[in-house]
Order: sequence, then C-alpha cells, then structure tokens
Amino acid sequence: GNSVTQMEGPVTLSEEAFLTINCTYTATGYPSLFWYVQYPGEGLQLLLKATKADDKGSNKGFEATYRKETTSFHLEKGSVQVSDSAVYFCALTRKEMEYGNKLVFGAGTILRVKS
Amino acid sequence: SQTIHQWPATLVQPVGSPLSLECTVEGTSNPNLYWYRQAAGRGLQLLFYSVGIGQISSEVPQNLSASRPQDRQFILSSKKLLLSDSGFYLCAWRDRDPYNSPLHFGNGTRLTVT
Repeated sequence: GNSVTQMEGPVTLSEEAFLTINCTYTATGYPSLFWYVQYPGEGLQLLLKATKADDKGSNKGFEATYRKETTSFHLEKGSVQVSDSAVYFCALTRKEMEYGNKLVFGAGTILRVKS
Repeated sequence: SQTIHQWPATLVQPVGSPLSLECTVEGTSNPNLYWYRQAAGRGLQLLFYSVGIGQISSEVPQNLSASRPQDRQFILSSKKLLLSDSGFYLCAWRDRDPYNSPLHFGNGTRLTVT
C-alpha cells in the first residue's frame, strides 16, 4: 500500500542551525509529494511540493528534492529560526489512488528551535 | 481567492451532548471536502470525505457522522459525544483536478469533551 515514514521527533536545534527532516515513502508508480507545516494551534499549511522525480520544491528557505531511487523527500533548511518551530508533515498522493484523491500523511515531526 | 472557514475555534461539551461543527469554503466550486481529527497534536486521522453534495465516505466507523448539504458546506456531527471524541478537528478542501492539487486546511476546532 501507500505509506509515508518520517523521522521521530522532537528535533531540537539552536537558531541558525542546519535542518534535515527525513521522509521516505512507499508507493507504486509516480506519486506527488508534499510537505505541510502546522504552527501551534493552527491548521496545516502547504510548505512545498514536487510532482516528479528530481523535482525540487522550495519555499521560505525550505527545500526538498524528490528522489525516486531512494524513495525519499527530505526537508532541509540552511539556517532555522525560532519562528520555524512547528510540526512538519510529509504526504503523498497518486493518480491511481482510490476515490476522493486522498493524501497519505506521515506521523509528523515536531521541530523546536531555541534562541 | 479561496478561503475556508471553520467554527467554532474551541468547544467544551459534556459527555452525551450533541455536536455540530461547520466548515464552508469560498472562491471555488465542486471541491473535494475532508474532515480530519488530530489527537495529541501529531498524527492526522481522516474521518470523512466528500466528492459532491450528499456524497459522504467514512474512513473510520465511530460515533461521528458528516453531511454535505451544499456544494461548499461540510458538517461534522454527533448525537452523543464520548470522552474519546476530544481532539483537534480539521476541515480541508482541494480541487478535484488536477489529481495532485494540494489540500487547504481550516484553522481547526479544539473539542474537549468533559
């Protein structure tokens, strides 16, 4: 079946540190991949996406590259800020997925950035 | 531009009482609509989704139900709340096409059943 696995958190970093949050997926065919961010007390917001192999999604200094050979979509940022503290979700969808075009989400990774 | 409204933002209800959470979307037509629940501030559980008026698919059999009386209105209900219904409820929509259009979430309702 289709699934997304994210690294366990929480991830705690100092301000200006480099961030990597690992995401790997299981899916047949060619899924589209997404990263969502959830700030405390809010709904999820789309952070970035990639729709085919080797695509790089980027937004707000965050980047992720769709690696089909390793079935991965790791999220990176060169210099995190306290305001980046949030929960990050990796997700996928496929054209052949069943009725409703549902997204499959990972469990989420909590990021805490200390000043 | 499209917007999604979800209310109320917070709700405290006694066990056994009814529930009605409402979600409306503006600026789009024929969206797919979804209700998620998030427990313990982490994982998302898809509860219901709808691809059209009156068309509801349930992902998890439980104490809740959903209805879509209008194209851009999605309602989550319960006749009698349980303690285990506490959580953060999120409504979301997406365009039907393309298939990989992103989900757009509301700001959620924090439900506490006492």
